[in-house]
Amino acid sequence: QKEVEQNSGPLSVPEGAIASLNCTYSDRGSQSFFWYRQYSGKSPELIMSIYSNGDKEDGRFTAQLNKASQYVSLLIRDSQPSDSATYLCAVIEGYSTLTFGKGTMLLVSP
Amino acid sequence: GAVVSQHPSRVICKSGTSVKIECRSLDFQATTMFWYRQFPKQSLMLMATSNEGSKATYEQGVEKDKFLINHASLTLSTLTVTSAHPEDSSFYICSARELVSRTDTQYFGPGTRLTVL
Repeated sequence: QKEVEQNSGPLSVPEGAIASLNCTYSDRGSQSFFWYRQYSGKSPELIMSIYSNGDKEDGRFTAQLNKASQYVSLLIRDSQPSDSATYLCAVIEGYSTLTFGKGTMLLVSP
Repeated sequence: GAVVSQHPSRVICKSGTSVKIECRSLDFQATTMFWYRQFPKQSLMLMATSNEGSKATYEQGVEKDKFLINHASLTLSTLTVTSAHPEDSSFYICSARELVSRTDTQYFGPGTRLTVL
């Protein structure tokens, strides 16, 4: 059974700090990796996708993928209180369905 | 990114009635759409996979006769909750798959909050 593991948190960081969110996955055949942000009472919003090993940067966000270690992470630089949300890691193999982690709650304090 | 809409955003109905929720991909064609349900403070739960022009594939434990899914076009999927009961009250979210080159990305709609009285 495919599994995606995330620490549920909450991860608390002060405003301006770097938030580091981690995710491991069990299916070595996974090919596509995503980070979604979900605010309370809202639907998930795609913030990063990554498909190959290494780093991918988009503004304050950097996704890191290491397929050998089956590990994907999300770094948020200069964290803002508005970044406080639950971050969902998701993986997909081929054209199958997304497998989600349970999410990590991030709290950024002013 | 691509945009997915849902309608209605919120619905309140009486027990025993049926409710239809629409999911549209606005700027891309989606051969596959997905329906999720999320209870408060819980994870997303995949209910079914909807493929254009064919029958939906339901996850284990989801009643296909209660949750009717129709994917009649490449931009529209509908979920009908039949004979709704209070335990069906939840946040229903659809997503649509966009395939570009070799990348496969799912975009979520804003969700529909269903309250059954």
